[in-house]
Amino acid sequence: DTEVTQTPKHLVMGMTNKKSLKCEQHMGHRAMYWYKQKAKKPPELMFVYSYEKLSINESVPSRFSPECPNSSLLNLHLHALQPEDSALYLCASSIGTGVDYGYTFGSGTRLTVV
Amino acid sequence: DAKTTQPTSMDCAEGRAANLPCNHSTISGNEYVYWYRQIHSQGPQYIIHGLKNNETNEMASLIITEDRKSSTLILPHATLRDTAVYYCIVRVPSAGGTSYGKLTFGQGTILTVHP
Repeated sequence: DTEVTQTPKHLVMGMTNKKSLKCEQHMGHRAMYWYKQKAKKPPELMFVYSYEKLSINESVPSRFSPECPNSSLLNLHLHALQPEDSALYLCASSIGTGVDYGYTFGSGTRLTVV
Repeated sequence: DAKTTQPTSMDCAEGRAANLPCNHSTISGNEYVYWYRQIHSQGPQYIIHGLKNNETNEMASLIITEDRKSSTLILPHATLRDTAVYYCIVRVPSAGGTSYGKLTFGQGTILTVHP
């Protein structure tokens, strides 16, 4: 298995809803990442997990809450989002966080906040 | 991380080589050059990376100048499926640094392959 699987592919949520995005990989990668991508912009790093521990938080608002229950699974919990949070949310994984490791990205969850 | 400069867009005829330039004049001696691409509505895809030597894999070749201030990604026989945004990224390798573990994307080059 050489893929990163993200679910759901599309999500529409209201500003008062609570929802979660899920990311799964079975490549034995020990680093996992969340990126946010607005239309016609490059992906922006949100969080880095290394060996199931949060190692980088790029000053992301607390309405985004990441969780790494095990080495294969990464969640992003969403609560009280704003319409400007609508974006493509990408998950990625790599063998480690060192420089020689290429990332494998999922196809993303397209989130719309109404 | 060193800043990269890429042309906003490029065109290429199908079957011809696509040569995508990247300027990274402030690169330091231990920074690697990575290339990724993103096809519309998909996640980015790793293509190739290198430090100082030229590299080749099944997807592309990476040519890094001797002074390492610029590089070129070469797709030897471009197809319509190579139409994508191509990102050149220079990455700090040092453990414990503030950029450790980060892959930071710039604006990239939109490559359009024409029939």
